[in-house]
Amino acid sequence: QVQLVESGGGVVQPGGSLGLSCAASGFTFSNYGMHWVRQVPGKGLEWVAVIWYNGANKDYADSVRGRFTISRDNSGNMLYLQMSSLRVEDTAVYYCARGIRLWGYLDYWGLGTMVTVSS
Amino acid sequence: EIVLTQSPGTLSLSPGERATLSCRASQSVSSNHLAWYRQRLGQAPRLLIYDASSRATGIPDRFSGSGTGTDFTLTISRLEPEDFAVYYCQQYGSSMLTFGGGTKVEIK
Repeated sequence: QVQLVESGGGVVQPGGSLGLSCAASGFTFSNYGMHWVRQVPGKGLEWVAVIWYNGANKDYADSVRGRFTISRDNSGNMLYLQMSSLRVEDTAVYYCARGIRLWGYLDYWGLGTMVTVSS
Repeated sequence: EIVLTQSPGTLSLSPGERATLSCRASQSVSSNHLAWYRQRLGQAPRLLIYDASSRATGIPDRFSGSGTGTDFTLTISRLEPEDFAVYYCQQYGSSMLTFGGGTKVEIK
């Protein structure tokens, strides 16, 4: 069965950096685009970033472009999100999700990892 | 960027009742590329509907989606206890995925 397990969340000071990971299993990881989506507790969903199945293309929400970097390791079935210049407003639960089609719907989601940016 | 507006914000219903949720887009959604998700408290979102009206794998037929262009609807024919949750629409008709603000379906 498809499983996505995020890790790496924690507490970081404003201006700091943090790296998130997502371990994928139960499907051919290299065949799918992957996304990061975040959610401030009690609020709605915000799309963050996408990486194509082969890593050739990436795109970001305007709110994180230039600060966040999405990457993947198809040999190890891993998805990553490197976050720098973190702001208080980046505080959220971060989900990784499998995408269908290049820009598509998200058919499987992980349980999420909490990132708190606070001094 | 396509902005999605969901209404109502909260829907108060009883188990067994019918729920009708609306999602309106600021511009036409290409190829009806609209999805619906259910998020129970403390859980990740789960895909219910894609391409406006196709049910995802394992989703019961009490869930149905309809609509085209800028106006879309999710209907739950008879609410089960597990359906009291927050529902989000999402468009993928353009690059830069966007989500609606959500509709909470609560027990009356």
